[in-house]
Amino acid sequence: AQSVTQLGSHVSVSEGALVLLRCNYSSSVPPYLFWYVQYPNQGLQLLLKYTSAATLVKGINGFEAEFKKSETSFHLTKPSAHMSDAAEYFCAVLSLGYNKLIFGAGTRLAVHP
Amino acid sequence: DTAVSQTPKYLVTQMGNDKSIKCEQNLGHDTMYWYKQDSKKFLKIMFSYNNKELIINETVPNRFSPKSPDKAHLNLHINSLELGDSAVYFCASSQDRDTGANVLTFGAGSRLTVL
Repeated sequence: AQSVTQLGSHVSVSEGALVLLRCNYSSSVPPYLFWYVQYPNQGLQLLLKYTSAATLVKGINGFEAEFKKSETSFHLTKPSAHMSDAAEYFCAVLSLGYNKLIFGAGTRLAVHP
Repeated sequence: DTAVSQTPKYLVTQMGNDKSIKCEQNLGHDTMYWYKQDSKKFLKIMFSYNNKELIINETVPNRFSPKSPDKAHLNLHINSLELGDSAVYFCASSQDRDTGANVLTFGAGSRLTVL
């Protein structure tokens, strides 16, 4: 069965600092992986997805993620945090054969001046 | 125009009542979903419909009954509400059932509070 683990339920960075949100997956087959963002009182919005093409995936708002099979990781990064990046971030893996997304527990990103 | 719209946005009700949440998408997608987000922000799929046909039904109490009158609508009816049903319920849609190739578009959520 596929699953994802997000390390760190809360991450706090200074404006302009590097953002690193960690996600590790478990899958017996090549996975499809996703990062979603949830701003306060809103639904989820897709940031980026990995579907077995390039291992470095670029998404919206300057975010990117790198698929590392050897580390079973799909960490999300952004070189320079903005105040507007403060939100909840979810990593997800597609459960093949069941056509459903399995989400991690989420990481709340706080950005301070 | 909102792509996936849910109503109501907020719902406060007493234990034992029956309530419904409606969802509509104007994206022309074939597949729709209901997800539940609990107080710890954990998201879990409840149901999925493809062209009005139920394709995913997680271990959800049978007090929860989804209904899809057409592929643009997926409503969620909940009978005999319990305190533990308090959560934010998200509707989503995707172009077809292969979420590997497509992405899910989420609604803004419906916050249900059971007193």
